[in-house]
Amino acid sequence: DGGITQSPKYLFRKEGQNVTLSCEQNLNHDAMYWYRQDPGQGLRLIYYSQIVNDFQKGDIAEGYSVSREKKESFPLTVTSAQKNPTAFYLCASSTGLVSIEQFFGPGTRLTVL
Amino acid sequence: AQKITQTQPGMFVQEKEAVTLDCTYDTSDQSYGLFWYKQPSSGEMIFLIYQGSYDEQNATEGRYSLNFQKARKSANLVISASQLGDSAMYFCAMREGNFGNEKLTFGTGTRLTIIP
Repeated sequence: DGGITQSPKYLFRKEGQNVTLSCEQNLNHDAMYWYRQDPGQGLRLIYYSQIVNDFQKGDIAEGYSVSREKKESFPLTVTSAQKNPTAFYLCASSTGLVSIEQFFGPGTRLTVL
Repeated sequence: AQKITQTQPGMFVQEKEAVTLDCTYDTSDQSYGLFWYKQPSSGEMIFLIYQGSYDEQNATEGRYSLNFQKARKSANLVISASQLGDSAMYFCAMREGNFGNEKLTFGTGTRLTIIP
């Protein structure tokens, strides 16, 4: 089945540690996105990539980094510079060409202790 | 300024009644798209319906319809004959950007609770 996988579903880290969240898609989509969601809030865009080896900052990129070495993979690293990293992180993908839908993964809930 | 505004933080609706979730948007682009997503307590985002800015007819998908009023910059979601399984967060979103450089902006959501 085609779709987006994110692992793990729950992640715990100590303060000051970097952590990398995985996002893989087998939909052959060019565009991939990372969003952050805080309790009771909407989604805010962290980073997005329209094509392999290229990505752009979203609205809240500070303290995060990404890479796009393969079309199907778009990992997000939450660095120690991110002041409030505890949140629900969602990855999405789309065709990137006047797309009529972004497909979302199941999300990773990160808790920093 | 907010690009997507959802003014109803929460709504309670009797089962089988119709419900309208409000969404207004702000953009200077001529070409844009409007989306509605449902987010159950599990956290997944479920695509419901899409309306393109050039579409003259309102979009419909089963029990969901999008009441698109372009001059008012309004894109309300209408759910007919609500069911208990409709209880969830609902997000309105807008796609902007040029060819090959698109992104979605989401509203803050409306929590819908269906009462038996």
